Amino acid sequence: GESVGLHLPTLSVQEGDNSIINCAYSNSASDYFIWYKQESGKGPQFIIDIRSNMDKRQGQRVTVLLNKTVKHLSLQIAATQPGDSAVYFCAELGAEFDMRFGAGTRLTVKP
Amino acid sequence: GAVVSQHPSWVICKSGTSVKIECRSLDFQATTMFWYRQFPKQSLMLMATSNEGSKATYEQGVEKDKFLINHASLTLSTLTVTSAHPEDSSFYICSADRLAGGSYNEQFFGPGTRLTVL
Repeated sequence: GESVGLHLPTLSVQEGDNSIINCAYSNSASDYFIWYKQESGKGPQFIIDIRSNMDKRQGQRVTVLLNKTVKHLSLQIAATQPGDSAVYFCAELGAEFDMRFGAGTRLTVKP
Repeated sequence: GAVVSQHPSWVICKSGTSVKIECRSLDFQATTMFWYRQFPKQSLMLMATSNEGSKATYEQGVEKDKFLINHASLTLSTLTVTSAHPEDSSFYICSADRLAGGSYNEQFFGPGTRLTVL
């Protein structure tokens, strides 16, 4: 039979505001985390990553925060732009070759 | 940056036929490639991990006889959907694993293949 579609969590922000997208991961042994961006009709794009020996990593307009105590990952996007509208996934890598994706969050940027 | 290609990008087939999807790392060698499936409005679902020269490791609930994976070389992995049915219609994405230095790798994704089974 067909799979039942799950509606993704959504986040709507005003252009120019900051966005925070959250992700809870499941494996306390995971030691590498990645955020991906997926625009409609395209494959996921790597945005930023972080290793478990770090709490924070910054890129261009993006920051990833890792809280291992509560197994929580967040992606902060500064000065959100219309081009940032997409679905954002977090992924965790634990044992070798074991990658798990989060459910994804749909970000919509309002002009 | 590293490039991963998929072919075909879009395929329509009749129910009961088999469809082969190729995933290639164009400018690097990938010891590991991953195959994902994405249903509308859902996250990517990891189907299997493909290691060059060995059998693929399938995720729970994924039929290995239905989704045949062959990792023939360090730059090519293929996914064959055998005896396709309409419920197999989906967006299939591969990624390739590149050693980035240290003890972890980088993932590079292909553009995806949209399969429609009539």
